[in-house]
Amino acid sequence: DGGITQSPKYLFRKEGQNVTLSCEQNLNHDAMYWYRQDPGQGLRLIYYSQIVNDFQKGDIAEGYSVSREKKESFPLTVTSAQKNPTAFYLCASSMARDRGGQPQHFGDGTRLSIL
Amino acid sequence: GESVGLHLPTLSVQEGDNSIINCAYSNSASDYFIWYKQESGKGPQFIIDIRSNMDKRQGQRVTVLLNKTVKHLSLQIAATQPGDSAVYFCAESPRAGGTSYGKLTFGQGTILTVHP
Repeated sequence: DGGITQSPKYLFRKEGQNVTLSCEQNLNHDAMYWYRQDPGQGLRLIYYSQIVNDFQKGDIAEGYSVSREKKESFPLTVTSAQKNPTAFYLCASSMARDRGGQPQHFGDGTRLSIL
Repeated sequence: GESVGLHLPTLSVQEGDNSIINCAYSNSASDYFIWYKQESGKGPQFIIDIRSNMDKRQGQRVTVLLNKTVKHLSLQIAATQPGDSAVYFCAESPRAGGTSYGKLTFGQGTILTVHP
């Protein structure tokens, strides 16, 4: 079945450590997105990529980095500069934006906590 | 210390009732609207979408209504079932032509609880 796979499901970060969250999709979607969700809140956009080898900052990009070397993959690194990384991280993908507004399809998230 | 989450709007209904979940948006340039359902510990699941050239769209047991005059979006669920219990989010996307095209802006969410 086509879909979006996020791994790991749970991740723990030590002080001063960078951690990378994986996101893979086999939907042949051009665009991919990373969101952060805090308890009782909506989703906030961290980074997004409309095409391979290109990505843009979202609303809360500080302390995060991404790469888009392959169409299928959009890993997110939570760096030590992100002082409050504990959250639920969601990856999504959609068809190209030039096709008009498109639904984003989500993975089942990675829950990141500080040790 | 631990951050405290905002208190989400809540809606409690009895099984079999119809549910209406509301969402207000502020961007008059928004062109595309979408509703998601999120169950605990999972990613949002697409329910239904609507474009700004429409006022109403129906799916299976769900209807989305768009009132552009007052910038209001609603999701109606017919014959609500316990399995419908979840957090429901609306999201909007602006028209083509700008750098924000394709991005979704999410609302805070509404907790729906369906009692058997």
